[in-house]
Amino acid sequence: ETVLTQSPVTLSLSPGERATLSCRASQSISTYLAWYQQKPGQAPRLLIFDASNRAPGVPGRFSGSGSGTDFTLTISSLEPEDFALYYCQQLTDWPRTFGQGTKLEIK
Amino acid sequence: QLVQSGVEVKKPGASVKISCKTSGYTFRSYALSWVRQAPGQGLEWMGWINGYNGDTKYSQKFQGRVIMTIDASTKTGFLELRSLRSDDTAIYYCARDPYPYSPRWLDPWGQGTLVSVSP
Repeated sequence: ETVLTQSPVTLSLSPGERATLSCRASQSISTYLAWYQQKPGQAPRLLIFDASNRAPGVPGRFSGSGSGTDFTLTISSLEPEDFALYYCQQLTDWPRTFGQGTKLEIK
Repeated sequence: QLVQSGVEVKKPGASVKISCKTSGYTFRSYALSWVRQAPGQGLEWMGWINGYNGDTKYSQKFQGRVIMTIDASTKTGFLELRSLRSDDTAIYYCARDPYPYSPRWLDPWGQGTLVSVSP
């Protein structure tokens, strides 16, 4: 089973700042990594697929990078609505594991 | 769009069956994945079912307790979980899954179904 480790667990930033979230895989997953955003009381929402492709409708301030075992989600300039939970998921092998999540909170 | 069935309250040892009614796409061209989230916890992938032929892949954690099925005539997927325990209390989500085709993602997601297991 591929274990995904996200860091940091909590990230405290202010609107307008740049956010960098990390996801590390226990073995190579090529670029089969997705990022999701989840707000309280809502279902997760797809942001990034195949490590670096923005899903339709996702603002341009969100970008993803990485391959193999190390991946990054970057939010270039935080908007108030970006403060939420973020999860990565690998879609290379079974089971399709998720990281434990990073909480992005307002400083 | 994926619309799930409503809240379920069950006793330990019982079974629950959740539905996920799809619309707006060709049902047989996509799979469904099921993911759950315990209160205050992260996302946990449970399994996958092919919308074309009903093939399944289950997380080892749930093997023997979970059954995923589809009804192509109503474009609906089902998740049945047996021998419920208190730690099965969670929100259960279905999500459209293009695998084995590309791209690899889960999108969109259903609104979630709360299953509460309590004596």
